[in-house]
Amino acid sequence: EDKVVQSPLSLVVHEGDTVTLNCSYEVTNFRSLLWYKQEKKAPTFLFMLTSSGIEKKSGRLSSILDKKELFSILNITATQTGDSAVYLCAVVRDDKIIFGKGTRLHILP
Amino acid sequence: SQTIHQWPATLVQPVGSPLSLECTVEGTSNPNLYWYRQAAGRGLQLLFYSVGIGQISSEVPQNLSASRPQDRQFILSSKKLLLSDSGFYLCAWSQGYNSPLHFGNGTRLTVT
Repeated sequence: EDKVVQSPLSLVVHEGDTVTLNCSYEVTNFRSLLWYKQEKKAPTFLFMLTSSGIEKKSGRLSSILDKKELFSILNITATQTGDSAVYLCAVVRDDKIIFGKGTRLHILP
Repeated sequence: SQTIHQWPATLVQPVGSPLSLECTVEGTSNPNLYWYRQAAGRGLQLLFYSVGIGQISSEVPQNLSASRPQDRQFILSSKKLLLSDSGFYLCAWSQGYNSPLHFGNGTRLTVT
């Protein structure tokens, strides 16, 4: 059975801290891994990862994939209150896209 | 550019009533289309996906169904809603497994 597991489920940190969010998976016919940010509406796309070891970066956010160990991490440095959201990881297997339960991140001012 | 339209934004329906949610995509052809449901603001549960007209793969059959009558139109239906059908329904599209998933604005469904 396909599985996408995110950890931690919830995280509270202070503004300025660095956080690491984890996503592990077990799927057949893996194609790519996606990261999304969701506030009180539809998810917005952050990164798409297809190759191991290549870091994707956008401002204070970065992500990397390890296809041997079957996981990905999403790093956020110098967190701001606007980073408070649910972060979703999804794995693409052929045409099916499976999401994890998400990590709820709360940044304290 | 591509856009995805999903309506209505909110819906309150009594138990036992029918449901029809519609989603259309513009600016692309032959997209993969998806319906997800999200309960309690957490992970997205895949309900149905479609890789072409009339081709529907079901992940959670229960009392929901989906149809794709046209290339860029995806419809989620139910004949009789249950309380457990309440949630945030999201339609999404992609251009295949090498492209990201793009979401509509979602429908908040409350079954009373």
